[in-house]
Amino acid sequence: AQSVSQHNHHVILSEAASLELGCNYSYGGTVNLFWYVQYPGQHLQLLLKYFSGDPLVKGIKGFEAEFIKSKFSFNLRKPSVQWSDTAEYFCALLSYYGGSQGNLIFGKGTKLSVKP
Amino acid sequence: DTAVSQTPKYLVTQMGNDKSIKCEQNLGHDTMYWYKQDSKKFLKIMFSYNNKELIINETVPNRFSPKSPDKAHLNLHINSLELGDSAVYFCASSHTGYTEAFFGQGTRLTVV
Repeated sequence: AQSVSQHNHHVILSEAASLELGCNYSYGGTVNLFWYVQYPGQHLQLLLKYFSGDPLVKGIKGFEAEFIKSKFSFNLRKPSVQWSDTAEYFCALLSYYGGSQGNLIFGKGTKLSVKP
Repeated sequence: DTAVSQTPKYLVTQMGNDKSIKCEQNLGHDTMYWYKQDSKKFLKIMFSYNNKELIINETVPNRFSPKSPDKAHLNLHINSLELGDSAVYFCASSHTGYTEAFFGQGTRLTVV
């Protein structure tokens, strides 16, 4: 069965600290992966996505993620976090069902709290 | 202009009532979705519609009935609401062939 697991439930960092959020997936087919962010009280916004090509993906707001096929991982990184990065982060796997239709399978999310 | 808009944003209702949540997208997408986010922030697909046709129905009680009058709209009607239905419901849309999904602001449903 396809699944996504995020290792950290709650991460607390000080401003300027480096961030790495873990994400592992279970899927035997072509892998399309996403990271979404949900700021308090808001909707999900796409940070970055991986479909193919360069396994190091750059996203918005200074985030990047690395797809490592051998480790079934897609970890999110940021060199220096800001207070405004406080949010819930979701890793997601695109699950295809028949032809080109698909839907997202989400991990349980990681809450990031950045102390000013 | 809001790309994916849901109404209402908040909905408080009593057990046993019937309620609807509306969703509209102006992105020209042909696939729309309903996701449920529970109290632990876990997101799970409920339904997917492509060109007004139901594609996915993920083990959702039949008290939940989605309706898609056209490609730009996907409404969710819930009958006989139960306490366990309390959650945030997100509408989303994408193109067929899927590159990314755009999400609405969510509807926080509280059943008392």
